Amino acid sequence: DAGVTQSPTHLIKTRGQQVTLRCSPKSGHDTVSWYQQALGQGPQFIFQYYEEEERQRGNFPDRFSGHQFPNYSSELNVNALLLGDSALYLCASSLDAAAYNEQFFGPGTRLTVL
Amino acid sequence: GENVEQHPSTLSVQEGDSAVIKCTYSDSASNYFPWYKQELGKGPQLIIDIRSNVGEKKDQRIAVTLNKTAKHFSLHITETQPEDSAVYFCAASKGSNYQLIWGAGTKLIIKP
Repeated sequence: DAGVTQSPTHLIKTRGQQVTLRCSPKSGHDTVSWYQQALGQGPQFIFQYYEEEERQRGNFPDRFSGHQFPNYSSELNVNALLLGDSALYLCASSLDAAAYNEQFFGPGTRLTVL
Repeated sequence: GENVEQHPSTLSVQEGDSAVIKCTYSDSASNYFPWYKQELGKGPQLIIDIRSNVGEKKDQRIAVTLNKTAKHFSLHITETQPEDSAVYFCAASKGSNYQLIWGAGTKLIIKP
């Protein structure tokens, strides 16, 4: 049973560029959440996708957008990159019908903005 | 909204000793409390969780306790080993369509 996978593992961009990160959820899961984790800090919730819709959003600007596909995989897009966007981006999957919010994380994508 | 506080921020213990990390939460509607272990450069790994209808759960050397009245929960690791060195995060949630609210993390150092 494949766990959560993310691609790419590492990415280097320059300020002002745009980036797309990808996530495939754990088999059987239908909900994907994205987090940003700066060095030495805890994960910060960006948004959650369910049924191809953004269901919840954290305190992130509109430069951060996403998409969920019919196969439940998801993309995170960040426009007009800033130096402060450098972080580990984590994807977590879960099952909406579950009574409890058990989330499984992928290995993350390390984004460096120069 | 929900707030989760985690203590201590750093914990150093001798190999073989026990380690305890504590978290408090503010929203009495929270019903799910996971603990994640994160190693350097990797994503968080769910190591144990507890639900609001249970007071204690154990899995080999790891145990979690929940006190709903006081709104706090704790992670206990016994017989610590070098591979237990990592950052541990607690979290709380009200349900599957609510976000996880995270603690700030505890860096656990196991001294040989």
